[in-house]
Amino acid sequence: AQSVAQPEDQVNVAEGNPLTVKCTYSVSGNPYLFWYVQYPNRGLQFLLKYITGDNLVKGSYGFEAEFNKSQTSFHLKKPSALVSDSALYFCAVRDEVDTPLVFGKGTRLSVIA
Amino acid sequence: DGGITQSPKYLFRKEGQNVTLSCEQNLNHDAMYWYRQDPGQGLRLIYYSQIVNDFQKGDIAEGYSVSREKKESFPLTVTSAQKNPTAFYLCASSSVYNEQFFGPGTRLTVL
Repeated sequence: AQSVAQPEDQVNVAEGNPLTVKCTYSVSGNPYLFWYVQYPNRGLQFLLKYITGDNLVKGSYGFEAEFNKSQTSFHLKKPSALVSDSALYFCAVRDEVDTPLVFGKGTRLSVIA
Repeated sequence: DGGITQSPKYLFRKEGQNVTLSCEQNLNHDAMYWYRQDPGQGLRLIYYSQIVNDFQKGDIAEGYSVSREKKESFPLTVTSAQKNPTAFYLCASSSVYNEQFFGPGTRLTVL
């Protein structure tokens, strides 16, 4: 069975500082990994995905994520946080079979001016 | 929210009443999904459909029903058997092996 863990319920960071939101996963085969962002009372917006290739994936709004197979991690990063980045972030995974995404419980990011 | 519409935005249900949430997509995606979101619990899969006239139960299907008569539409009915239906409901769609696109959501409240 596939699963995702986001070990931090809340991450606080000062504006202009780098941010990291952590994600670890478990799948039986090769993973397809995704990050989404959710603003209050809205649907989820796709940020980036890893399917194959370079371990560092670049996505929307300056976000990037690093795939680490040995640590089964896919942490989301941004070099310089903005107050507007404050939102709920979800990591998701599925294996190579075309099954629905399995989501983590989410991490609330708060960027303080 | 990328070509997926959900209606209504807010919905109120009385005890013992069935209600239907609408989800329509114009992305020509084969697969559609329904998730339930509760605070602190992330997204949990209710039902999904990979092709017209076929659908599968997700992790929390009890008390819900769906239909997929058209490629563009995947309505969700919350029946009176669902004892705790107050939640935020999200519909999504995807093409094969690609990311899921989400609608804006419907917030259901039991009165």
